[in-house]
Parts: sequence; C-alpha cells; structure tokens
Amino acid sequence: EVQLVESGGGLVQPGRSLRLSCAASGFTFGDYAMHWVRQAPGKGLEWVSGISWNSGTIDYADSVKGRFTISRDNAKNSLYLEINSLRVEDMALYYCARDPVKYSGGDWYFDLWGRGTLVTVSS
Amino acid sequence: DIVMTQSPDSLAVSLGERATINCKSSQSVLYSSNNKNYLAWYQQKPGQPPKLLIYWASTRESGVPERFSGSGSGTDFTLTISSLQAEDVAVYYCQHYYSAPRSFGQGTKLEIK
Repeated sequence: EVQLVESGGGLVQPGRSLRLSCAASGFTFGDYAMHWVRQAPGKGLEWVSGISWNSGTIDYADSVKGRFTISRDNAKNSLYLEINSLRVEDMALYYCARDPVKYSGGDWYFDLWGRGTLVTVSS
Repeated sequence: DIVMTQSPDSLAVSLGERATINCKSSQSVLYSSNNKNYLAWYQQKPGQPPKLLIYWASTRESGVPERFSGSGSGTDFTLTISSLQAEDVAVYYCQHYYSAPRSFGQGTKLEIK
C-alpha cells in the first residue's frame, strides 16, 4: 500500500526543539520530492518546506526560515523536519506530502498525504 | 508571493444540486510557455488529510468522481460539483504551484442544506 506515516509530534514547551519523521512505503521514495504542510487547529493549510528527490533543492516558508530544517534519507525511505525555537504559532498538525513528478525540484502539487502528527506548544 | 482567495467561506447546498466554489489568485498562474494553469483543488473531510481532486485547473485525479470538475484560467477558477452527494461534505482548498512559495486558499466549507 502506498502511504506516508508521520511521527514525532507531542507536547513541547516554547523555545524547545522537536524532530518530526515521515516514513514512506509502497513507492520508490527516492524518486520524489517531498514536503511538509501544516494546519493549525481549526485553520487552513500552510506549506512549510520542501526538498527535491536528491536533496539538491530545499525551500522554506518565510515563517519558518532559520528555525526549521528539512532533510531526507532515501536509504531509509524517510523524511524529517527539525523544528527549533518552537513558538506557540507553530502548534499544528504537520502533514508529510509527496510531489507527483519523479525527479522534480519540488515544484508541483501534492498527490499523496500522510495523516499528520500533532505538535502542541505550551508551557 | 501569490495570494489565493476563495469564495464563499461556507456554502450550503441541497442534495443533488450543483455546488460552485470560486478561487482567485492575486496574479496569473497561467504559464504562457505551455498554456497550463498551475492550480490544484483539494478536498478535506473532517479528521482526514487533504485529498487531491483536480490539478492543472481542470484535470481530474484518478479515481475522483466525474461530478467534480474544475475550470477557469489566469486568475479566476471554479470547482463545481454537479450533483451534491452526502459524502461531499468537506472543506475545499485551492492551491497554486506557479511559483515559490506555493500557497492555499483559506478554504470553503461545504454543507448540506
């Protein structure tokens, strides 16, 4: 079955760090660009970060630039998001999502989504 | 950055009737070299992740029912559900992929009247 499964979320104090993971299965993970998209409680969707199939192209939303780091390990079929200096406004459900085009720089829409991992920021 | 604005914010339609959701971009998402509109639509049901419905403004994703259609070009786009079914209750989002950063509309909540 083609799927993405996120993990690593939880309750974290403001200013602390967290590492999210996304495990891919059912497709050749290393062929596709991947992204993180978040959704604050009761709110809309916000693209956070993307990484090309070979990690050659990486991009971030301005709202997270300098605090978030995206990475991937194609040998482990896994995508990661390191979140530093957490803020209350980072509290959200974080989705892992796939680009539909093989070997792209991550320039497209999202054809496969995980169910998300919840990050709660509170003291 | 391109801003996506959807209308209305919420919509109530009777079963079997047509539902229309609009999406406007702050600048054109039509790429002149290939004449393609870099616009996608998603459906998000309660407690579920978003699901891709439409890409290139009017191409239905595999497995999406024919009652869902997308239209428009440039800056103005429409998602139409030709005959609303109970399972179509959801929030619908448009998203451009014309340039970085990709952005979504604020969402339109569709309910049964």
